[in-house]
Amino acid sequence: EAGVTQFPSHSVIEKGQTVTLRCDPISGHDNLYWYRRVMGKEIKFLLHFVKESKQDESGMPNNRFLAERTGGTYSTLKVQPAELEDSGVYFCASSQGYKKLAGRSEQFFGPGTRLTVL
Amino acid sequence: RKEVEQDPGPFNVPEGATVAFNCTYSNSASQSFFWYRQDCRKEPKLLMSVYSSGNEDGRFTAQLNRASQYISLLIRDSKLSDSATYLCVVNRGDFNKFYFGSGTKLNVKP
Repeated sequence: EAGVTQFPSHSVIEKGQTVTLRCDPISGHDNLYWYRRVMGKEIKFLLHFVKESKQDESGMPNNRFLAERTGGTYSTLKVQPAELEDSGVYFCASSQGYKKLAGRSEQFFGPGTRLTVL
Repeated sequence: RKEVEQDPGPFNVPEGATVAFNCTYSNSASQSFFWYRQDCRKEPKLLMSVYSSGNEDGRFTAQLNRASQYISLLIRDSKLSDSATYLCVVNRGDFNKFYFGSGTKLNVKP
């Protein structure tokens, strides 16, 4: 069975440009999460989808970040315009489970997208 | 204060050694606990969930102390392949987010 996939694996852009990251979760996983690790810091939660609905977007840093999950399958995370501090590794994860069970379920992580903003 | 605190290490140990990692969490309402392993430039992968009674999986033993808000991971008979960063992960009961520690780096040397 295929795991979580992310595209691209690396992206180097200039400040002010736009970048769109894509995540394909494990088939059948309704929960999809975005996380980010910036240099020297711990991995931090950005947001959580249940199917196509945003369950929790409390971790999104500001309105330059827009996440979508049309049709409840793959998700995109757009950064527009990108700033230097957006550099880091963006991980996507997916899991099964509903409501409280989601919190006890293993989250399967993708390989991440390494974003560098110059 | 960080949600999850870990000693960053690195822990440098010889093959065959026993090594223990500790982790503390700040929110007493936390409900689920995990140890993830992350190899260099790879994604985190679940090593084991941590249950209240403690649990063991081969050479790995995890313990949870809710009163002290403390989680531990013990690795016995370390192998070269155990070299990685070990991430302490907590779910606070708002059943979505994982809170990660910054990770403890382990280097097992021949």
